[in-house]
Amino acid sequence: AQSVAQPEDQVNVAEGNPLTVKCTYSVSGNPYLFWYVQYPNRGLQFLLKYITGDNLVKGSYGFEAEFNKSQTSFHLKKPSALVSDSALYFCAVRPYGGSQGNLIFGKGTKLSVKP
Amino acid sequence: DTAVSQTPKYLVTQMGNDKSIKCEQNLGHDTMYWYKQDSKKFLKIMFSYNNKELIINETVPNRFSPKSPDKAHLNLHINSLELGDSAVYFCASSQASAGGYWNEQFFGPGTRLTVL
Repeated sequence: AQSVAQPEDQVNVAEGNPLTVKCTYSVSGNPYLFWYVQYPNRGLQFLLKYITGDNLVKGSYGFEAEFNKSQTSFHLKKPSALVSDSALYFCAVRPYGGSQGNLIFGKGTKLSVKP
Repeated sequence: DTAVSQTPKYLVTQMGNDKSIKCEQNLGHDTMYWYKQDSKKFLKIMFSYNNKELIINETVPNRFSPKSPDKAHLNLHINSLELGDSAVYFCASSQASAGGYWNEQFFGPGTRLTVL
């Protein structure tokens, strides 16, 4: 079955330190990969996506993600975390050739950045 | 402001009632979606509409029926509400690109449905 895994329920980081939120996927063919962020009591906001090309993708708010085909991973990173980055982060994949617009979401990782 | 909007923001109702949630987008997108987020924050797609045609229906009970009067609106009607329907429902939209649907989706603020 096609799926997305976010192995960490929560990631704790001190402000100013680098952060990584992990995501691995299992799909047939080449995937389209996305990261979304959800602040409390809000809808999801798009951060970045990988479709093709350069494996390092840069997105909103200083976030970036690296597509690693051999490890089937798409980890989200930021060099220096801010307290305002604290939120719930979702990795999502649309399988190549899958139903139009059908995104499979991971279960989410709560990022907590402490001052 | 350009956005995806939903009404109501909160909906509290009794089991067995029928309710609707409205969604509108003014982004000019041609595809709209409904998602259900449960109490554990797990997010799952329920429906999507492209050019007024249903293109996804992920094993959702037929008590749920999406209605799209035009491509800017996708309303969700729920019959005979059950306790397990309690969740946050998100509407989203995107613009399909030629040959694929990899454009990002824009989400509404959500409707928190509580069934008593």
